[in-house]
Amino acid sequence: SQQGEEDPQALSIQEGENATMNCSYKTSINNLQWYRQNSGRGLVHLILIRSNEREKHSGRLRVTLDTSKKSSSLLITASRAADTASYFCATDLDYKLSFGAGTTVTVRA
Amino acid sequence: GAGVSQSPSNKVTEKGKDVELRCDPISGHTALYWYRQSLGQGLEFLIYFQGNSAPDKSGLPSDRFSAERTGGSVSTLTIQRTQQEDSAVYLCASSPAGEETQYFGPGTRLLVL
Repeated sequence: SQQGEEDPQALSIQEGENATMNCSYKTSINNLQWYRQNSGRGLVHLILIRSNEREKHSGRLRVTLDTSKKSSSLLITASRAADTASYFCATDLDYKLSFGAGTTVTVRA
Repeated sequence: GAGVSQSPSNKVTEKGKDVELRCDPISGHTALYWYRQSLGQGLEFLIYFQGNSAPDKSGLPSDRFSAERTGGSVSTLTIQRTQQEDSAVYLCASSPAGEETQYFGPGTRLLVL
């Protein structure tokens, strides 16, 4: 069963704008990871945030984690057309990743 | 270096036939995972191999599904007597020891007619 749920399901923005997507989960975790998927194929790891961390940055990506609310957010700043993809959060409790259904982001040129 | 590779890229089969899907993990990675992604859905965990330990098969949906990993490297996922609901993208991932990040292959798109 899926542990995480992303919100919104789909997001359309103009190039240069920021994109924010949220993830909620149900059980305790060791860490939470965000992945990107292009064209329904392999996933690419973006960023990992541990359960004792609250915020993490990587380039144009900013991830927050609120374990009390069991939620996380991914912010992509200054979006580009190449950011068009599906984004998934995945919770890691015992090495197995449990994925949500993803947020599909479309960046318009 | 080379990433995770999977073959075939696409597989079309008839209901009732058996299929084998192959995964070549990144060299030296001790952990190997299989996931299934149905259309428009997130990934569903199937099975996990770690070194020489017994695999975690808790995600396999039925006894028609099995997987093996030979020599701690290549893995084969076998689906017997395929059903239409088995149609999905099957993704393999690997990880080096002690790392939580998983490195995914491009997947095998399976269509059961």
